[in-house]
Amino acid sequence: DVQMTQSPSSLSASVGDRVTITCRASQTISSYLNWYQQKPGQAPRLLIYAASSLQSGVPSRFSGSGSGTDFTLTINSLQTEDFATYYCQQSYSPPPTFGPGTKVDIK
Amino acid sequence: QITLKESGPTLVKPTQTLTLTCTFSGFSLSTSGVSVGWIRQPPGQALQWLALIYWDDDKRYSPALESRLTITKDTSKNQVVLTLTNMDPVDTATYYCVRKTYYYDVSVYFDAFDMWGQGTMVTVSS
Repeated sequence: DVQMTQSPSSLSASVGDRVTITCRASQTISSYLNWYQQKPGQAPRLLIYAASSLQSGVPSRFSGSGSGTDFTLTINSLQTEDFATYYCQQSYSPPPTFGPGTKVDIK
Repeated sequence: QITLKESGPTLVKPTQTLTLTCTFSGFSLSTSGVSVGWIRQPPGQALQWLALIYWDDDKRYSPALESRLTITKDTSKNQVVLTLTNMDPVDTATYYCVRKTYYYDVSVYFDAFDMWGQGTMVTVSS
């Protein structure tokens, strides 16, 4: 299985901050990388697919980049509703696998 | 509007078999390219993909759990059923029903889980 790691595991930020989360795959996965947001008590929500494509309805302050093994999720001008846990997921090689998550909370 | 909803027991005993049903609307599992699956999340932990069934009845399972998992579909009822045998306390988790969607970009297909059910919490305890 492709192992996914994320850093940091958690971070504290303020409204208006720019936040960057990193995801790394244990082998090259081209651009087969998705990002999800999960708020407490809710199901995950797809934010980014194919490493950098914004899912319909997702605010443009979210962006993704990277290819190969290293990927980044950036949130520009963090909003109150963005405090959540973020997961990356590879879809390159079955089975699909998720990272351990990065929790973004209020500083 | 696309919705998925999980149903099933909230409490099962060790060694029992868990049966979960996903009832969905807004799309058809008889349409080429469509697939529905299951992902679980133990309390405070990360997401774990379990199984997927395709429109053509092709099935895929997590290698770690394949011997215990079965996924089936009833297209006429818009339902997908997951069974997990020999339940153990480590199987305690929220179980999500998901739809997988394909995205086409410059001659390449990507896929992601674009729609999720609300999840159902299953506790394994005697």
